[in-house]
Amino acid sequence: GAVVSQHPSRVICKSGTSVKIECRSLDFQATTMFWYRQFPKKSLMLMATSNEGSKATYEQGVEKDKFLINHASLTLSTLTVTSAHPEDSSFYICSASGNTGELFFGEGSRLTVL
Amino acid sequence: RKEVEQDPGPFNVPEGATVAFNCTYSNSASQSFFWYRQDCRKEPKLLMSVYSSGNEDGRFTAQLNRASQYISLLIRDSKLSDSATYLCAVRRSNDYKLSFGAGTTVTVRA
Repeated sequence: GAVVSQHPSRVICKSGTSVKIECRSLDFQATTMFWYRQFPKKSLMLMATSNEGSKATYEQGVEKDKFLINHASLTLSTLTVTSAHPEDSSFYICSASGNTGELFFGEGSRLTVL
Repeated sequence: RKEVEQDPGPFNVPEGATVAFNCTYSNSASQSFFWYRQDCRKEPKLLMSVYSSGNEDGRFTAQLNRASQYISLLIRDSKLSDSATYLCAVRRSNDYKLSFGAGTTVTVRA
């Protein structure tokens, strides 16, 4: 079964609204989680590293005020896409690392902004 | 130059064929290497890690060439179920961040 759960798997929203995506580690405590974005036929691009209890570290070119990350507990990280626009439509995937270092991916969330 | 580059393919092969493809990485400080499989509209799933001496897992063989900075994946006796996009991933340090290639698409036909 899945060890990292992501919700929702699919969301359609109107332009200008905010969307929250949750990423949960089910069988382990994840001190670090990663958020990726993937456009069709493109590679997964790391957006940010989410650290429990501290601010997320964003990759170059990723707007931290646009993509809000909260990692309030060892099992939950959330990504909020604020004031979403059609160009934000993408596949967002989280991953979490446990104590062994292996990365587990969530099922992904497909965002479509109309 | 992208950190990780792959031939996008597609590689169209008949069942039972052998298919192989490479992935190059630009940072010589890269420490860990992986192959992931991604099915359409799904999350990546770890296929195998790549070790310095090369390693095999059933019909899949991975190799690492540090001198030329590439890793390879070979699939023997291809099955229809092998049809997928194969992503290589590279880790530079022990902070668990992975850099991915754009993927190589493999289609196995009956």
